[in-house]
Amino acid sequence: DAKTTQPPSMDCAEGRAANLPCNHSTISGNEYVYWYRQIHSQGPQYIIHGLKNNETNEMASLIITEDRKSSTLILPHATLRDTAVYYCIVRVEDGNKLVFGAGTILRVKS
Amino acid sequence: EAQVTQNPRYLITVTGKKLTVTCSQNMNHEYMSWYRQDPGLGLRQIYYSMNVEVTDKGDVPEGYKVSRKEKRNFPLILESPSPNQTSLYFCASSHVGAPYEQYFGPGTRLTVT
Repeated sequence: DAKTTQPPSMDCAEGRAANLPCNHSTISGNEYVYWYRQIHSQGPQYIIHGLKNNETNEMASLIITEDRKSSTLILPHATLRDTAVYYCIVRVEDGNKLVFGAGTILRVKS
Repeated sequence: EAQVTQNPRYLITVTGKKLTVTCSQNMNHEYMSWYRQDPGLGLRQIYYSMNVEVTDKGDVPEGYKVSRKEKRNFPLILESPSPNQTSLYFCASSHVGAPYEQYFGPGTRLTVT
C-alpha cells in the first residue's frame, strides 16, 4: 500500500473549517483514500473514503486532487469534540489491512 | 446497534499468567483483526482473520494467538504475557475488501507486571 504523509499537528478555531492535508504521491489506481480519527485512546472511527471523486457525508468532505497524489479532509464547522488524531490511509481495492501512520493531531480551540 | 465489543476493558495481570481478551461483532462481518497501540509506534496489526477458521499473522504476532471458531467472535490469547505486551489493544471488523469501512472496538488497556 502507498505511504502517506501528514503534518504532525494543526490548530483550528471552533466553528471554522478544518482542512487536513495528506500526501500520497505513490498511490496506485486501485487504492482508496480513507480517513479515520481517534479521540483520546478510543477506538479509531471511520470518517470517509474516496477513490477519484470528491466525497461528502454527514461528518466531512474529502477532496482528492485530479492526479490523486494528495487529498484534503474538510470538517466544515469544527467543534471542540473534533479534537483528535486524524489518520489518512490508502488501501488496495481488495485488501482489508489498514496501515496507520502517525496521523495529524487536530486541536480545536475556543 | 452495530458494534464491536471487547472484554475486559482494563486488565492488570502478572507475567506468565495466561489471559484472553474477547472480541465480538454483531454485523456479520467476515474480516476481523487485532491491533495494538503503543506510544510512538502507533497502531500495529497483530493478527487478522478473513473468515471462520481462517487466521493469519499481522505485523507483530509474536506472543499472541487467536482463533476464529465463530463468525462473530475473535479472541486474542496471551499464553504467557510479558511486560512488553503492556499496551492498548483494539479489535476491528468489516466486510471483506474495499470500500467497506472497519469498525473498531473501544479498546482493552492491558498492563503486565
